[in-house]
Amino acid sequence: EDQVTQSPEALRLQEGESSSLNCSYTVSGLRGLFWYRQDPGKGPEFLFTLYSAGEEKEKERLKATLTKKESFLHITAPKPEDSATYLCAVQALGDKAAGNKLTFGGGTRVLVKP
Amino acid sequence: DSGVTQTPKHLITATGQRVTLRCSPRSGDLSVYWYQQSLDQGLQFLIQYYNGEERAKGNILERFSAQQFPDLHSELNLSSLELGDSALYFCASSIRTGPSYEQYFGPGTRLTVT
Repeated sequence: EDQVTQSPEALRLQEGESSSLNCSYTVSGLRGLFWYRQDPGKGPEFLFTLYSAGEEKEKERLKATLTKKESFLHITAPKPEDSATYLCAVQALGDKAAGNKLTFGGGTRVLVKP
Repeated sequence: DSGVTQTPKHLITATGQRVTLRCSPRSGDLSVYWYQQSLDQGLQFLIQYYNGEERAKGNILERFSAQQFPDLHSELNLSSLELGDSALYFCASSIRTGPSYEQYFGPGTRLTVT
């Protein structure tokens, strides 16, 4: 069974204080690893897709990296507007019955204080 | 704005009742996914439809059912509602990018069962 674990559960940062979020995963075969941002009461907002170990993607102050067992989301010099829950999900290569579902981790709640 | 629409935004109903949640995917997307997000379970995959046909099932209760219509909109029917069904229900549609299927989420329907 596919599993995704995110740590820490919560992170309090001062504005400008860079940090990293961790996503550990086990999957029979990885089709893709996804990062989403979710604001309270809203739908997850797509950030990145990573496919293979060594891949990196950047968007503004966010950078996602992937290894064979983990992914990291680095937040560089965060601003208060980066406060949100960040979700990691995997999509497995599988049989037809598995479809293209996403298996999510529990998320990391990030609070950036000015 | 992801392009995925969901109605209603909020729904308050009593135990034992039945409700219908509606979703329209992004223009051109053939797949629709339903997810449930509760405080204790996180985001859980319920069911996927592709072009009107059920493609994959996840942790969907027998009291819940879904369908996708010829115009590709989808409905999730929840019956014999219990207090524990209170949650956010999200719909997503997907686009193939490389080897994976990126999913874009709607704003969700917040269901409160009293």
